[in-house]
Amino acid sequence: QSALTQPRSVSGSPGQSVTIACTGTSSDVGGYNYVSWYRQHPGKAPQLIIYDVNKRPSGVPDRFSGSKSVNTASLTISGLQAEDEADYYCCSYTGSFKVFGGGTKLTVL
Amino acid sequence: EVQLVESGGGLVKPGGSLRLSCAASGISFSNYAMNWVRQAPGKGLEWVSSISGTSTYIYYADSVKGRFTISRDNAKSSLYLQMNSLRADDTALYYCARWESSTYGFDIWGQGTMVTVSS
Repeated sequence: QSALTQPRSVSGSPGQSVTIACTGTSSDVGGYNYVSWYRQHPGKAPQLIIYDVNKRPSGVPDRFSGSKSVNTASLTISGLQAEDEADYYCCSYTGSFKVFGGGTKLTVL
Repeated sequence: EVQLVESGGGLVKPGGSLRLSCAASGISFSNYAMNWVRQAPGKGLEWVSSISGTSTYIYYADSVKGRFTISRDNAKSSLYLQMNSLRADDTALYYCARWESSTYGFDIWGQGTMVTVSS
């Protein structure tokens, strides 16, 4: 049950795109197409923004997209907006357990 | 309105016990697996435990196995976490979260209840 690996921080200017990687193993990210992503603003509960690697819940803008290659999942946010500044976490289902990434702080410059 | 409301957090001494509760409203509680996820101050999210809708399947993170017990009462639409032998590194905000099996994601979260383990 080791945490998935994410960069501690990323940044981008308004209107630009950023990608956050989430690296696991064949036992988690690589073994299942069940990676989800969460956005967490300071002092708030996390919010589901991507599930099943690349699907968006109702109400989440299409600026958010997900993908996966082997043991690494990625979240891409295009057309960055000030409100996107937050912490982002990936999560993988592992059959019985769930494992989160360490989190990435996105700064909108 | 769909809502999860946690309660029961507080300050406890190392080695002590605490029972967290999560009250659900606006959802068909028994149809969903429920989870506890925690977040230590300034740190990331950590999955703690999950329980299926009928309590048939229960899982724990290695970090809490043998010390924490998850349970639910579907008649009361409530989820619980009994925490024993608490340690300083259990200090965290504990969230109750619904696991949506059709999306394999935590789609509804409570606002959390804070547990502080300190002498």
